[in-house]
Amino acid sequence: QLQLQESGPRLVKPSETLSLSCTVSGASINSSSYFWGWIRQPPGKGLEWIGSIYFTGITYHNPSLKSRVTMSLDSSKNQFSLKVTSVSAADTAVYYCARRTSLLLNWFDPWGQGILVTVSS
Amino acid sequence: DIQLTQSPSFLSASVGDRVTITCRASQGISTYLAWYQQKPGKAPQLLIYTASTLQNGVPSRFTGSGSGTEFTLTISGLQPEDFATYYCQHLTRYTTFGQGTKVEIK
Repeated sequence: QLQLQESGPRLVKPSETLSLSCTVSGASINSSSYFWGWIRQPPGKGLEWIGSIYFTGITYHNPSLKSRVTMSLDSSKNQFSLKVTSVSAADTAVYYCARRTSLLLNWFDPWGQGILVTVSS
Repeated sequence: DIQLTQSPSFLSASVGDRVTITCRASQGISTYLAWYQQKPGKAPQLLIYTASTLQNGVPSRFTGSGSGTEFTLTISGLQPEDFATYYCQHLTRYTTFGQGTKVEIK
């Protein structure tokens, strides 16, 4: 059974870099069949797609986040990671990692349980 | 950017009711739409993709329909476990989600 688990610091200071990892069990992140994605949800608000990464390292991300987002893969740990630079209070959210099941279309299943990251000094 | 607008934002209903949620896209997206259910403190769960395909394990009381710019999610015979927030999502490359519809107990 495929499972995803987010990990990383839950408190980040303004202007610093948010770094999260997603550990995948039950499937290989090197599979050519899937993309892997990040989605976030500010407290009490809706969902925002951050970006997706393919096993080749190809990435694409939400243009609204401009160049602040970096995604990468670590095959040795079967993990993929997210970095968001120059964070502010607006980046406070529950961050989810998920598998994008289709190579052509952008739906996500399953999702990790999520990790709340708070940006505060 | 493609914008998705869900209606209503809040819905009160009783167990056994038939409930319909609408998602309108700012431009035509064929059938490139998914629906998710989210319960408090939990991650969203995929219900339907490509507008009408039921995800494995999802009860058949959930149905999706539509194409182009107007889509609906219908729950036929609302069950206690269905009280949750529902989101639509368009499935093109730079994806976005609707603002959500909260289904509450009347």
